[in-house]
Amino acid sequence: EPEVTQTPSHQVTQMGQEVILRCVPISNHLYFYWYRQILGQKVEFLVSFYNNEISEKSEIFDDQFSVERPDGSNFTLKIRSTKLEDSAMYFCASSADRTNQPQHFGDGTRLSIL
Amino acid sequence: AQRVTQPEKLLSVFKGAPVELKCNYSYSGSPELFWYVQYSRQRLQLLLRHISRESIKGFTADLNKGETSFHLKKPFAQEEDSAMYYCALWLRGAQKLVFGQGTRLTINP
Repeated sequence: EPEVTQTPSHQVTQMGQEVILRCVPISNHLYFYWYRQILGQKVEFLVSFYNNEISEKSEIFDDQFSVERPDGSNFTLKIRSTKLEDSAMYFCASSADRTNQPQHFGDGTRLSIL
Repeated sequence: AQRVTQPEKLLSVFKGAPVELKCNYSYSGSPELFWYVQYSRQRLQLLLRHISRESIKGFTADLNKGETSFHLKKPFAQEEDSAMYYCALWLRGAQKLVFGQGTRLTINP
């Protein structure tokens, strides 16, 4: 069964540094998402992406965050200047369409900011 | 506001006993609800979606619009059911899933 893959599985970064989290969505999917989960808290929506544009973003997704689909397969989340509170598990997801098709999640990247 | 509530952070039952994981939602439109499961150190996996009305791994969930609930049930728990379970509401207009806090289910032998 096709899967969403995320790299790296764990990223440790100094506060203030830029970090890029990478995702390869399922190949025929058109809608892409990032969620995050701070330790002990619920999974929270960050951003959705379709047709090379952001479709929706949450209030968490401020100017420090950006997403990109640099080629036909990768979908990246960049945090420009990381803060301690950015430490979390970041999940990428993709779906075939925007109706009620289920979102398929990757294994997540654990981001630790020191 | 759209919200999903899972009142139990932890639930522990014995193998063979019935399981019910509670989920309540707040949404003004017609809800589209899902249950996701996360086994230890694995990804979030779709377990059930309410429109399918199917049974996966012995689990079922019925949407009750009157009670705004989508509880997950299994008549006889198995040890391999131990996992984190998340109820989620799909917001079609906003194109996002809203998750509950999750319930950690532990099945004791």
